[in-house]
Amino acid sequence: AQSVTQLGSHVSVSEGALVLLRCNYSSSVPPYLFWYVQYPNQGLQLLLKYTTGATLVKGINGFEAEFKKSETSFHLTKPSAHMSDAAEYFCAVTLASGGSYIPTFGRGTSLIVHP
Amino acid sequence: KAGVTQTPRYLIKTRGQQVTLSCSPISGHRSVSWYQQTPGQGLQFLFEYFSETQRNKGNFPGRFSGRQFSNSRSEMNVSTLELGDSALYLCASSLTGQSSYEQYFGPGTRLTVT
Repeated sequence: AQSVTQLGSHVSVSEGALVLLRCNYSSSVPPYLFWYVQYPNQGLQLLLKYTTGATLVKGINGFEAEFKKSETSFHLTKPSAHMSDAAEYFCAVTLASGGSYIPTFGRGTSLIVHP
Repeated sequence: KAGVTQTPRYLIKTRGQQVTLSCSPISGHRSVSWYQQTPGQGLQFLFEYFSETQRNKGNFPGRFSGRQFSNSRSEMNVSTLELGDSALYLCASSLTGQSSYEQYFGPGTRLTVT
């Protein structure tokens, strides 16, 4: 079985500041990890994913995340926040083998960007 | 390619009624999953269909059901609606449903039960 914990239901930053959204996972086998973003009144959109290979993954809109197996983490970062980044962000995990390939989603983190 | 489409976008129903929601996946995608999203419970998996067969099911009562057609379009039905069924229902499609493949989400159907 797998699980995902997103620390902080709300994160508030100033425009231009570093964005850091935390995600920790639990799985018994190697995971595949995803970050999705949801804007108001819309569905989820993939930001980036980690499957194999390079542990630093770059996504759309300047976001990136680093898979750290020793810390079971997959934190999402962006060097400089923009007002348009205000949205809900979800971390999700699936398993590379065995178990269910249905993704397990975290509870989400709402990113608030102040001018 | 056209994205995932869901109809209708908004629905208002009364307790005890039933409702059918529709989802058209991205062309070529064979896996369709349904989720219920609420502020209190977050994203909860309902079921997944692949090639017209329900392949996975979440922990929801039998009032929630679904089906998939030969063109991969999917419908979900909720019978005997309860107030607690008010939620955003999201449909997501994936090429094959394998764990390394990301899901593509539709905009959702906002269901309000009064």
